[in-house]
Amino acid sequence: GAGVSQSPSNKVTEKGKDVELRCDPISGHTALYWYRQSLGQGLEFLIYFQGNSAPDKSGLPSDRFSAERTGGSVSTLTIQRTQQEDSAVYLCASSPTTKHYEQYFGPGTRLTVT
Amino acid sequence: TQLLKQSPQFLSIQEGENLTVYCNSSSVFSSLQWYRQEPGEGPVLLVTVVTGGEVKKLKRLTFQFGDARKDSSLHITAAQTGDTGLYLCAGVTQGGSEKLVFGKGTKLTVNP
Repeated sequence: GAGVSQSPSNKVTEKGKDVELRCDPISGHTALYWYRQSLGQGLEFLIYFQGNSAPDKSGLPSDRFSAERTGGSVSTLTIQRTQQEDSAVYLCASSPTTKHYEQYFGPGTRLTVT
Repeated sequence: TQLLKQSPQFLSIQEGENLTVYCNSSSVFSSLQWYRQEPGEGPVLLVTVVTGGEVKKLKRLTFQFGDARKDSSLHITAAQTGDTGLYLCAGVTQGGSEKLVFGKGTKLTVNP
C-alpha cells in the first residue's frame, strides 16, 4: 500500500518568508509526528497528533512553528518568518493505533533558507 | 542532554566483515527501536525490542536489548554494500509523558 508522502521534496526560500510543508500519512494511521533532522544530528521531535486529542507541541522550537492536522489525516507544518537556522530536513511519520511507537516515515522535505 | 548515545558515530568497513554498533543510555526505556536511513529517504523501521535481554535476528542482523532496558546493540554479520546507511536507535521513555527519543545515529559505510 501507499506509504507516507511529503511535499515538496525540496524547498528553497528566502529568509523572512513563510513556508508550508505537507504530510499525507498512511491511511488509517491515527498518530502523526513531525521531526527535524539537521546535518549530523539525530531526529528532533517537533509535534505529535493522536486522533482527536490535543496535539503535543512540546518540541516546537519557537512560536514561528505551527502545525495542524485536518480531518485526522493530512498535516501541514508552517514555519513563519524563516531563519537560516531553520534549514534542515523535515520528516513526517505516522503510526497505527495498536503499535503507537513503530513509526513509518516519509521521505522528508529538505528546506533551505537563503 | 543526549538521552541516547550511539557509538561509533562513523564506521567504515570492507564487505564481508562483522560489526557491532551500540546505543546506550542511563535511562530505562519501555521499548527500543532500530531504524536504517539511506540518503534522501526517511528512516525505515528494522526491529522493536521490548523485553530486557531480548535478542532478535533479522537475516544477518542481530539486535539485543540490555537486561536493564537501558542499552541495545546491533550486530551485522558479513556486511554487504547494501547495508550502508545511517543506523538510528530510538527509545520510548517511561513515565507520565511517553515520548520516542532518537540517538544521533551511526553512519555505516561498507566498501566493496
